[in-house]
Amino acid sequence: EAQVTQNPRYLITVTGKKLTVTCSQNMNHEYMSWYRQDPGLGLRQIYYSMNVEVTDKGDVPEGYKVSRKEKRNFPLILESPSPNQTSLYFCASSRERDYEQYFGPGTRLTVT
Amino acid sequence: AQSVAQPEDQVNVAEGNPLTVKCTYSVSGNPYLFWYVQYPNRGLQFLLKYITGDNLVKGSYGFEAEFNKSQTSFHLKKPSALVSDSALYFCAVRGGASGGSYIPTFGRGTSLIVHP
Repeated sequence: EAQVTQNPRYLITVTGKKLTVTCSQNMNHEYMSWYRQDPGLGLRQIYYSMNVEVTDKGDVPEGYKVSRKEKRNFPLILESPSPNQTSLYFCASSRERDYEQYFGPGTRLTVT
Repeated sequence: AQSVAQPEDQVNVAEGNPLTVKCTYSVSGNPYLFWYVQYPNRGLQFLLKYITGDNLVKGSYGFEAEFNKSQTSFHLKKPSALVSDSALYFCAVRGGASGGSYIPTFGRGTSLIVHP
């Protein structure tokens, strides 16, 4: 089954404790991205990647890092999480940039 | 800067009636327009897109959308609503090669409630 998977689905952590949210897709997609969803704000793109070793900032990259060492994986790293990063995070992939995106199930992160 | 407006936070419609979820946009150059649906506790699912061609686009689950360049709108429609259509709907836009940002901009979402 074609899908985007994220782990963990739920995470509660404390300020400053580094964490990684994994994302993997099995569709051989070139393009992957991370979004955060906040009430009343819709989805905002954090980072995106056009291909292996090619990443770029989205609209809200501050406080986040990503890497794309393999085509299928695109982890999101929070080096020092803060409460304002409490949000619902989605990973997405698409065949190329111009195509529709396939979204993962989401990761609900709470930073206390 | 590109932007998307979904002017209604919530749309209520009776089952069997036609539904419309509104979306207007602002972008430099030719727009790439998308509609996605989000069911509770799920990720977004693609419904349909407009890049070029026929202004009336047909998508999944009987939904369609009409691209109107003069009104910069891309309203989502369905002739006969189902209770199972109740969900959160997002419109998204991004610029194409002729200008605008390649980073997609999403609207704030419209909650569609279909009453039995």
